[in-house]
Amino acid sequence: TQLLEQSPQFLSIQEGENLTVYCNSSSVFSSLQWYRQEPGEGPVLLVTVVTGGEVKKLKRLTFQFGDARKDSSLHITAAQPGDTGLYLCAGEDSGTYKYIFGTGTRLKVLA
Amino acid sequence: DTEVTQTPKHLVMGMTNKKSLKCEQHMGHRAMYWYKQKAKKPPELMFVYSYEKLSINESVPSRFSPECPNSSLLNLHLHALQPEDSALYLCASSPGLGENTGELFFGEGSRLTVL
Repeated sequence: TQLLEQSPQFLSIQEGENLTVYCNSSSVFSSLQWYRQEPGEGPVLLVTVVTGGEVKKLKRLTFQFGDARKDSSLHITAAQPGDTGLYLCAGEDSGTYKYIFGTGTRLKVLA
Repeated sequence: DTEVTQTPKHLVMGMTNKKSLKCEQHMGHRAMYWYKQKAKKPPELMFVYSYEKLSINESVPSRFSPECPNSSLLNLHLHALQPEDSALYLCASSPGLGENTGELFFGEGSRLTVL
């Protein structure tokens, strides 16, 4: 079974700071997704990365897929309180078709 | 329509009750999922239906019984639950298993409390 480990688990920063969240696996994924989830709601898809080395930008968020397609990162520039939430990477196990989530990174941005 | 709709949003039930959670999508997706999420934890996969057939059961206790009446609907029947089953239950859909880039669309969840 493929596992996705995220780091850090928790992050509390001041508004305006930059941060990076990592998602690592020992297995290759055909694609990885990043979601943000707010309390009491379902995860909302932010981006999909498919090609090794791919970089995608979504406003202040930059996503990168590792060259070997085993890891991914999310970088937030000038974080805002609205970025607060649980960030989850996820992917489909190519053997079992199980869609698994990373361990999660809980971000709090203080005004 | 890119929504996945879950009802009810909140449910409180006793350990002897029988209740159901419902999920509906009209995106033409052929795969539907149930996840369970405890506080401050990532979602855990429970069941996956593909083309209305149960494809994955993650060794979920039989007090949880899924049903997929048609390609747009997914139910989760609950009976004789335990307090530790209290959680947010999330429904999701995707175009199909192994057929796409793996993106799931989630409902807002049903918050279940078992007394």
